[in-house]
Amino acid sequence: KNEVEQSPQNLTAQEGEFITINCSYSVGISALHWLQQHPGGGIVSLFMLSSGKKKHGRLIATINIQEKHSSLHITASHPRDSAVYICAVRKYSGTYKYIFGTGTRLKVLA
Amino acid sequence: GAGVSQSPSNKVTEKGKDVELRCDPISGHTALYWYRQSLGQGLEFLIYFQGNSAPDKSGLPSDRFSAERTGGSVSTLTIQRTQQEDSAVYLCASSFPGGSYNEQFFGPGTRLTVL
Repeated sequence: KNEVEQSPQNLTAQEGEFITINCSYSVGISALHWLQQHPGGGIVSLFMLSSGKKKHGRLIATINIQEKHSSLHITASHPRDSAVYICAVRKYSGTYKYIFGTGTRLKVLA
Repeated sequence: GAGVSQSPSNKVTEKGKDVELRCDPISGHTALYWYRQSLGQGLEFLIYFQGNSAPDKSGLPSDRFSAERTGGSVSTLTIQRTQQEDSAVYLCASSFPGGSYNEQFFGPGTRLTVL
């Protein structure tokens, strides 16, 4: 079993829909990142979370440390949100190593 | 200002040859990471630099892989005696000091193909 699991693996939505992508992890962590990988391959960091909730535009990220779970929400989705969304965690130890989920491929249809 | 740059953008090499991949981080970013993304696979951590030192090399897959960073800036990832399983996109990211507590800025990657 992977230490970081994402669901769903693939998601197709209609423009305007509210989208939720989930990330569960099985290790103690010091931080969790949400990344966006565009179809051309470029990666952008969306959020870094160690607790609570963050919001940026139409994107909201939450984390529940006790339940070892994080969610990424997209409100009023748009075709330009189509990308692969990746969850990454840094273990709570002396390591700087990041462990990545396999990503959620989102396609938003106009 | 300029983002993270990587060169070359594409590299095709023959099995057994050595390759060098270069990363230019954002000026002032002392933290630098190398990652690998194989076809159909997720991202994989390779190595972390803080300044010129590498406190975490735990992700390097074999002793054929090495990396260095000079002047706290440019980093080079070297793969010796390349194998076909080394084919992947190699990504570099940089951030301000603080490791995981700061946003990482990713470069465009180098696509390595080993024939």
